[in-house]
Amino acid sequence: KNEVEQSPQNLTAQEGEFITINCSYSVGISALHWLQQHPGGGIVSLFMLSSGKKKHGRLIATINIQEKHSSLHITASHPRDSAVYICAVRYAGNQFYFGTGTSLTVIP
Amino acid sequence: DAGVIQSPRHEVTEMGQEVTLRCKPISGHDYLFWYRQTMMRGLELLIYFNNNVPIDDSGMPEDRFSAKMPNASFSTLKIQPSEPRDSAVYFCASSTRTGWNTGELFFGEGSRLTVL
Repeated sequence: KNEVEQSPQNLTAQEGEFITINCSYSVGISALHWLQQHPGGGIVSLFMLSSGKKKHGRLIATINIQEKHSSLHITASHPRDSAVYICAVRYAGNQFYFGTGTSLTVIP
Repeated sequence: DAGVIQSPRHEVTEMGQEVTLRCKPISGHDYLFWYRQTMMRGLELLIYFNNNVPIDDSGMPEDRFSAKMPNASFSTLKIQPSEPRDSAVYFCASSTRTGWNTGELFFGEGSRLTVL
């Protein structure tokens, strides 16, 4: 069964804290995406990974193919980072499966 | 560019009625995706098109759902007849081939459907 699990489901942090969100999947994938959904509902694609690490500003995404695990890190968190972060995995044939999301609240 | 444009933003309808959701992808994008988001199931990919051709519709829940892309600048997702369990936010997204390979996916703001 193709499962995508995210942890934690909910996360509250103080402004400035380092944040980690985890994503695990059950079978081999061709790529993994991290999405950000803002409180208003809009969705933004943050990263796509097939190996290694990517960095964009204060966001860093890593993936370990052997362990079937990816992490999204936010350094120096800010209230504007408050959103739902969704992990999505793409399998061969472009089948997509999504995690249920991690709701992040950053308190000033 | 105006981004991916979806309409309507909100729709409330009664069970049994036909619902048509519309999407205009970003000009030049040759991939178009329809997603559905519910509280229970989260985000799900329903169908995607490449160069106006449906590539994978395995996520379409049942025959009541159909999607078309008559040209590069327009797609529809139709539900007939609608049921209360179809209530969800439907997102359209588009990408280029290069963007698809690098993860650049642009989402519309979604169409919130409520079926009473």
